[in-house]
Amino acid sequence: AQSVTQPDIHITVSEGASLELRCNYSYGATPYLFWYVQSPGQGLQLLLKYFSGDTLVQGIKGFEAEFKRSQSSFNLRKPSVHWSDAAEYFCAVMLDKLIFGTGTRLQVFP
Amino acid sequence: NAGVTQTPKFRVLKTGQSMTLLCAQDMNHEYMYWYRQDPGMGLRLIHYSVGEGTTAKGEVPDGYNVSRLKKQNFLLGLESAAPSQTSVYFCASSSGTGSRETQYFGPGTRLLVL
Repeated sequence: AQSVTQPDIHITVSEGASLELRCNYSYGATPYLFWYVQSPGQGLQLLLKYFSGDTLVQGIKGFEAEFKRSQSSFNLRKPSVHWSDAAEYFCAVMLDKLIFGTGTRLQVFP
Repeated sequence: NAGVTQTPKFRVLKTGQSMTLLCAQDMNHEYMYWYRQDPGMGLRLIHYSVGEGTTAKGEVPDGYNVSRLKKQNFLLGLESAAPSQTSVYFCASSSGTGSRETQYFGPGTRLLVL
């Protein structure tokens, strides 16, 4: 069955440090890929999405993600994390429906 | 634009009670969705609608019913609430029919069933 895996349940980084959140999918073809962010008590907000073309995608809030077909991965990165980035991050794959990973909770220390 | 709104924000029910969650969107979107979010499980699709008057089952439809009488509204009903339905419920909407369409989410409804 198609699935989305976010292997890191919880990540802690210091403010100003770089960040990489991992996402792997299992699907025969290249699906449409998304990253969403959920701040505490809020709904989900789209950070970025990949459909085709350039494998490095830029999103909002300084985030980017790189699609690697050979690794079936779509990892999210940010060069310098801000305290306001503390949230839960969800990777998602669009097949006939949107399939979400289980999320990675990011904690940022000052 | 308010985007996607949900009412209520929080509700406590006793086992066996019924309730309806309301989702409204002002973006003229065709597609609407109901998800539930549980710890460690991400979001799972309950039901969805591809247009006014239509509904379809998602991944976890049991115990829920939905209606889409107006294009802008999508109602989620629990006829007889169970503790297993304690969750956070999110509504989303999207335009068009393509897989490229972004889903826009509401702020969520937190439901506790005692």
